[in-house]
Amino acid sequence: AQKITQTQPGMFVQEKEAVTLDCTYDTSDQSYGLFWYKQPSSGEMIFLIYQGSYDEQNATEGRYSLNFQKARKSANLVISASQLGDSAMYFCAMRAGRASKIIFGSGTRLSIRP
Amino acid sequence: EPEVTQTPSHQVTQMGQEVILRCVPISNHLYFYWYRQILGQKVEFLVSFYNNEISEKSEIFDDQFSVERPDGSNFTLKIRSTKLEDSAMYFCASSPLAGGENEQFFGPGTRLTVL
Repeated sequence: AQKITQTQPGMFVQEKEAVTLDCTYDTSDQSYGLFWYKQPSSGEMIFLIYQGSYDEQNATEGRYSLNFQKARKSANLVISASQLGDSAMYFCAMRAGRASKIIFGSGTRLSIRP
Repeated sequence: EPEVTQTPSHQVTQMGQEVILRCVPISNHLYFYWYRQILGQKVEFLVSFYNNEISEKSEIFDDQFSVERPDGSNFTLKIRSTKLEDSAMYFCASSPLAGGENEQFFGPGTRLTVL
């Protein structure tokens, strides 16, 4: 069975600090993709970053990077130099094998303190 | 940059009424999806659609739900007789390809409130 686990329901971080949001996954498929989405209070799902299972380098997109540790089945999101606008819900998600659906973790609510 | 659009942004309906949620996927995409998110909970897969037929559906997607691609651009989710527990945010998504290593693009969502 495929599963995404986010163990941090909520986090508080000081502005300008770096923050790591944890995500572990479980799948028996060799080919899969890992995603992070941001959901602000307005409700939309904003795509942040993607890591393919065959990518040897960690994905980076601006202030976002994905710390991909395949052997540990972890895909943590790192946000450098956090900003007040980063306060939101963050979801880790996976799409595995021939399946086309995405499964989501339960999310981490990130709050940035000024 | 092309994007998935959804209408309406917010729909309020009475229990037992039919609702149709509309989505316009990205034009060259082939795979279409509906997800829902009950307030405060995680996003759940409802159904995927390819080549004018359902390719996969979840347990949530029972006989009260149906999807349709009535023309070359729209993708709709119909709930035949809404229940209170159908109140949620409904997201449409599209993807150019299937398989683990392809991104899905999400629309902004429709917030459905059933009274």
